[in-house]
Amino acid sequence: NAGVMQNPRHLVRRRGQEARLRCSPMKGHSHVYWYRQLPEEGLKFMVYLQKENIIDESGMPKERFSAEFPKEGPSILRIQQVVRGDSAAYFCASSPRRQGGRYTEAFFGQGTRLTVV
Amino acid sequence: AQSVTQPDIHITVSEGASLELRCNYSYGATPYLFWYVQSPGQGLQLLLKYFSGDTLVQGIKGFEAEFKRSQSSFNLRKPSVHWSDAAEYFCAVVPLEGQNFVFGPGTRLSVLP
Repeated sequence: NAGVMQNPRHLVRRRGQEARLRCSPMKGHSHVYWYRQLPEEGLKFMVYLQKENIIDESGMPKERFSAEFPKEGPSILRIQQVVRGDSAAYFCASSPRRQGGRYTEAFFGQGTRLTVV
Repeated sequence: AQSVTQPDIHITVSEGASLELRCNYSYGATPYLFWYVQSPGQGLQLLLKYFSGDTLVQGIKGFEAEFKRSQSSFNLRKPSVHWSDAAEYFCAVVPLEGQNFVFGPGTRLSVLP
């Protein structure tokens, strides 16, 4: 059973370009989270998705950022018109269906390191 | 305010010495508690987790953690540190009412030979 797969591992974009980050959850997992890790900082929650639904996007910047998790295919985190401050590591995690109302574990991908030049 | 704190930003220990990394949480009800480790340039790996029951939890790589309700703490321990343990350690919670993992700021562990 493959783990959470993120690609690309490294992404370089010029200011103003678009960045697309992909995340394939573990087999059988229908819940996906995206986190951002800035240099020397911890992980900050961005968005939580289930198939075809955004459940919680309270951590997403209001502009330029969007996320989707279609019925088929990976989850996509899209950043439009990137700026230098978007440079960070973006981690995806997946989780199986909840038990008793809460999640019992999240499995993380290796991350995508975005550099904006 | 609800939060997860890790008071130590950076800890240095000698190889073979014991280790304790601190984690405190501030939530009304006891959340689910986790410790993750992140090696440089890598993703996060789960070390151990606590939901209920025995307050001393055993994890992988020789780590253990103790839940203390009275102190709202979930400290990570290892009796003898190996050089390969040098990494960033994150405490995380899933609140009773929450749907997401909330991470502490992390503690960077350096190991001296």
